[in-house]
Amino acid sequence: QKEVEQDPGPLSVPEGAIVSLNCTYSNSAFQYFMWYRQYSRKGPELLMYTYSSGNKEDGRFTAQVDKSSKYISLFIRDSQPSDSATYLCAMRENDYKLSFGAGTTVTVRA
Amino acid sequence: DGGITQSPKYLFRKEGQNVTLSCEQNLNHDAMYWYRQDPGQGLRLIYYSQIVNDFQKGDIAEGYSVSREKKESFPLTVTSAQKNPTAFYLCASLAGTGVQYFGPGTRLTVT
Repeated sequence: QKEVEQDPGPLSVPEGAIVSLNCTYSNSAFQYFMWYRQYSRKGPELLMYTYSSGNKEDGRFTAQVDKSSKYISLFIRDSQPSDSATYLCAMRENDYKLSFGAGTTVTVRA
Repeated sequence: DGGITQSPKYLFRKEGQNVTLSCEQNLNHDAMYWYRQDPGQGLRLIYYSQIVNDFQKGDIAEGYSVSREKKESFPLTVTSAQKNPTAFYLCASLAGTGVQYFGPGTRLTVT
């Protein structure tokens, strides 16, 4: 079993829909949680960073962490074609190493 | 402009040749990382370095080597011992906030 599980998709939604992305993890020592967005043939860029259970909102993006269930989510409201990318969840303990999900490929249709 | 640069963007080599990928950062970050990305497998850690002149193997270090002689630079050498070197290679550094920031990547093709 992988430490971080993420459904690879692909996920296709119409413009304006809510995109819902999820990751589950097995290591209860993970304390810090991140979502990255990666466009094709580019490096990942940080979208959201959180270290506590609950919701964190930034514009159209909401990150949700449930440590008791070992489950994190990213919601994208009013999705745009420019949101078409691969989304990676990442998490770490209180050290230098991150563990990544496999990434979910999202396509937003105009 | 602060950031991480990787060069070249595309690299082609013949099987049996060693090749070195460049990674430079001007963010004054202590820790740096090398990842390999293959389709459907996410990012896998090759090597990381927490400080100059020190580095540790990641999950898939076999066939790779690194050096960390300067804080700004963390080059990765893909040796002929690496059985499947064709991949997308990403360099990252760690901010004091605990977030990793990535370079633009190098796509290596070995034929």
